[in-house]
Amino acid sequence: GQQVMQIPQYQHVQEGEDFTTYCNSSTTLSNIQWYKQRPGGHPVFLIQLVKSGEVKKQKRLTFQFGEAKKNSSLHITATQTTDVGTYFCAGMSGEYGNKLVFGAGTILRVKS
Amino acid sequence: NAGVTQTPKFQVLKTGQSMTLQCAQDMNHEYMSWYRQDPGMGLRLIHYSVGAGITDQGEVPNGYNVSRSTTEDFPLRLLSAAPSQTSVYFCASTDRGALRYTQYFGPGTRLTVL
Repeated sequence: GQQVMQIPQYQHVQEGEDFTTYCNSSTTLSNIQWYKQRPGGHPVFLIQLVKSGEVKKQKRLTFQFGEAKKNSSLHITATQTTDVGTYFCAGMSGEYGNKLVFGAGTILRVKS
Repeated sequence: NAGVTQTPKFQVLKTGQSMTLQCAQDMNHEYMSWYRQDPGMGLRLIHYSVGAGITDQGEVPNGYNVSRSTTEDFPLRLLSAAPSQTSVYFCASTDRGALRYTQYFGPGTRLTVL
């Protein structure tokens, strides 16, 4: 089964609404990363979280790493049409051979 | 500085044909990877390399070969294409350092096997 689970699979929001995607790992992670892929494009690195309980912000995006380092979330405040795309989390763990394991992604659509 | 380049952008093959997907990076990264992306399954690691002359298998290596003769190039070979290999293929180059592991993806190759 998938080692890094990501929910929801798909979210359609009205412009200005908030959006959150969640990522859960079956094992403790050494770090977690988030990527954004625009439609027809390639994944682009957004951020890496390393410390337990870490919270980082990039403008309207807030990233959190859980205390147990098994889960993470990405929250977008007041979505804009430029936020559309697929958001992937990717976790690294010794149990994954110290390679990144990607979640299936959350597709975000924004209605204007 | 082009980053990561991939060719071709699109390819259609018939079952049984072979081909090579090209990947090159100009960032002098030692670590490179190949992923395939299928709907609802995220990115799955096919093969990776930690430096010239060193390659290893990822999660889904069957039907693919790689080699790494230089730091810059990391080609992916499909030995005998099958419809199950229809996918989007991404090459990635990784900037590794202390507490840092940033992957830079190429634009992708969209492959259809008939």
